[in-house]
Amino acid sequence: NAGVTQTPKFQVLKTGQSMTLQCAQDMNHNSMYWYRQDPGMGLRLIYYSASEGTTDKGEVPNGYNVSRLNKREFSLRLESAAPSQTSVYFCASSGGQATGELFFGEGSRLTVL
Amino acid sequence: DQQVKQNSPSLSVQEGRISILNCDYTNSMFDYFLWYKKYPAEGPTFLISISSIKDKNEDGRFTVFLNKSAKHLSLHIVPSQPGDSAVYFCAATGGTYKYIFGTGTRLKVLA
Repeated sequence: NAGVTQTPKFQVLKTGQSMTLQCAQDMNHNSMYWYRQDPGMGLRLIYYSASEGTTDKGEVPNGYNVSRLNKREFSLRLESAAPSQTSVYFCASSGGQATGELFFGEGSRLTVL
Repeated sequence: DQQVKQNSPSLSVQEGRISILNCDYTNSMFDYFLWYKKYPAEGPTFLISISSIKDKNEDGRFTVFLNKSAKHLSLHIVPSQPGDSAVYFCAATGGTYKYIFGTGTRLKVLA
């Protein structure tokens, strides 16, 4: 039972490089989310997709783009990575009601040099 | 503007005693609240939730209390166990699909 799967788990980038974090869920969930975790800052919402075909900005969307490829997959793209984007990124999904439990992946640790 | 605040970055409690973790929120539109536990190098896992129509919800050793007038919720763990040592996050949502998390409290349960 995979749940929420994120790839890659670790990545090192140079400033200005681009990359895409992939997320897939196998729970037939409607809503998907991307968070970043930084020391002292908690979990901050980057983007979310309430349902297939929709995406919305969260608390810290600058420097990121997202794609809801289909119901299962939600990717996060950094077009030109900056050191400030060094963080641990978490993808999450939920059943799609406006309230309900979020299920998280194991995280992707990104370092931008 | 931090809409969900956890003002205690850390907490140490003796094994067997009660752990009380606190969370404050500012957005009066929030009507559903959750607590998550996170171990190092793992994703957060759901612990317990509460709807704004309730003021208390229990699940085994975990109880969440909600005081809507004070915009405050707390998580009680009784009795605390060493395996409870982790970072705890509270989260809130208001029916918009946006879940806002606090900054976390690191709980250490001493054996």
